[in-house]
Amino acid sequence: GAVVSQHPSRVICKSGTSVKIECRSLDFQATTMFWYRQFPKQSLMLMATSNEGSKATYEQGVEKDKFLINHASLTLSTLTVTSAHPEDSSFYICSARDPNGLAGYEQYFGPGTRLTVT
Amino acid sequence: AQSVTQPDIHITVSEGASLELRCNYSYGATPYLFWYVQSPGQGLQLLLKYFSGDTLVQGIKGFEAEFKRSQSSFNLRKPSVHWSDAAEYFCAVGANNQGGKLIFGQGTELSVKP
Repeated sequence: GAVVSQHPSRVICKSGTSVKIECRSLDFQATTMFWYRQFPKQSLMLMATSNEGSKATYEQGVEKDKFLINHASLTLSTLTVTSAHPEDSSFYICSARDPNGLAGYEQYFGPGTRLTVT
Repeated sequence: AQSVTQPDIHITVSEGASLELRCNYSYGATPYLFWYVQSPGQGLQLLLKYFSGDTLVQGIKGFEAEFKRSQSSFNLRKPSVHWSDAAEYFCAVGANNQGGKLIFGQGTELSVKP
């Protein structure tokens, strides 16, 4: 299957700083990528849909000025957590939609990024 | 609104025993259904998927799932569980006309006893 990478896998930052997480589709072009947040022992919460060349679509309740998403190419989307606070500590997972997948619903997931804000 | 329910938060089975993880969905038309597995600290791996055709679908790692429209269910099964199957399992349905979004269930944590 297709491969999606995320970088970094773990990051620790100080409160008030910004952190950028990269999501790359390695062997296919992804016009659409998704960003999820996952709390311990919970399901994935969709934060936003990232479309190449256009603005991201954020889910209700997600602060777009805090979680900046850029999808500048068909293989790269980035999530920047701005002015991070301890409550932003979480596991962030991206996925890339396979354009040749099951009616457009097939997604390949990255390995996730563990963000800890101190 | 579409939804996915996984009634069992945590299941423990003995190694070698059979497994069934339940998934119920709420959807008006024929759903696109998926099962994913997540190991601790990892992303999600697709086990299997269903859209149409044979209602019994085979996946990777010896898993299968059966789509039952009358019960709005898509239960995941494995005849003999291995210790390495211990993980979190998520059922998901494709959200209709929402740009490829998936709606996830709450997840079922599987523990395997030796």
